[in-house]
Amino acid sequence: EVQLVESGGGLVQPGRSLRLSCAASGFTFDDYAMHWVRQAPGKGLEWVSGISWNSGSIGYADSVKGRFTISRDNAKNSLYLQMNSLRAEDTALYYCAKDVFGGNSGQNYFDYWGQGTLVTVSS
Amino acid sequence: SYVLTQPPSVSVAPGQTARITCGGNNIGSKSVHWYQQKPGQAPVLVVYDDSDRPSGIPERFSGSNSGNTATLTISRVEAGDEADYYCQVWDSSSDPVVFGGGTKLTVL
Repeated sequence: EVQLVESGGGLVQPGRSLRLSCAASGFTFDDYAMHWVRQAPGKGLEWVSGISWNSGSIGYADSVKGRFTISRDNAKNSLYLQMNSLRAEDTALYYCAKDVFGGNSGQNYFDYWGQGTLVTVSS
Repeated sequence: SYVLTQPPSVSVAPGQTARITCGGNNIGSKSVHWYQQKPGQAPVLVVYDDSDRPSGIPERFSGSNSGNTATLTISRVEAGDEADYYCQVWDSSSDPVVFGGGTKLTVL
């Protein structure tokens, strides 16, 4: 059974940093690209960042570019999101999502999602 | 960047057919994927590559895509189908993963 378990969320002041983790199990982690998708309270889904199976291809939404860094450790079956210079508008539930492909296929989508970890940016 | 437009809400009586649209420039040339999200839960993939269903998704869920509109169709709607639905495509522009704004399906 595929499981994605996010952790690391919490309350943080504007301008500070936070590191999210996603522990994956139930599939061959290093075969697939992985992503972070967030959802602000009462709002829709917003893609944040994605990383290919071997970390060779990485992408970010314009809204987080230069502030967030995605990474993965295939030996630990884990995905990470380092979030710096956090803003109030980064407040959201952050989901870890598994891609059906290992890299950019032009048709990528997500077949499994975690339950999310809540990040609240407030003073 | 590429924009996907969904109606904010769709209402349908039980047993009827719900159609949720997703508009985008020449979306028919892209693969469209649909997710269902119930309150307090993570999204679940219900249709991929325009019209394919993952295992475990009822045949009542189907999709189509042509021109500037993709459509998720839910036949014989049940109370348990009440949820938010999001369309998604992959685009080669600045943000490669694009979601529609979501449609709240209400079962009357």
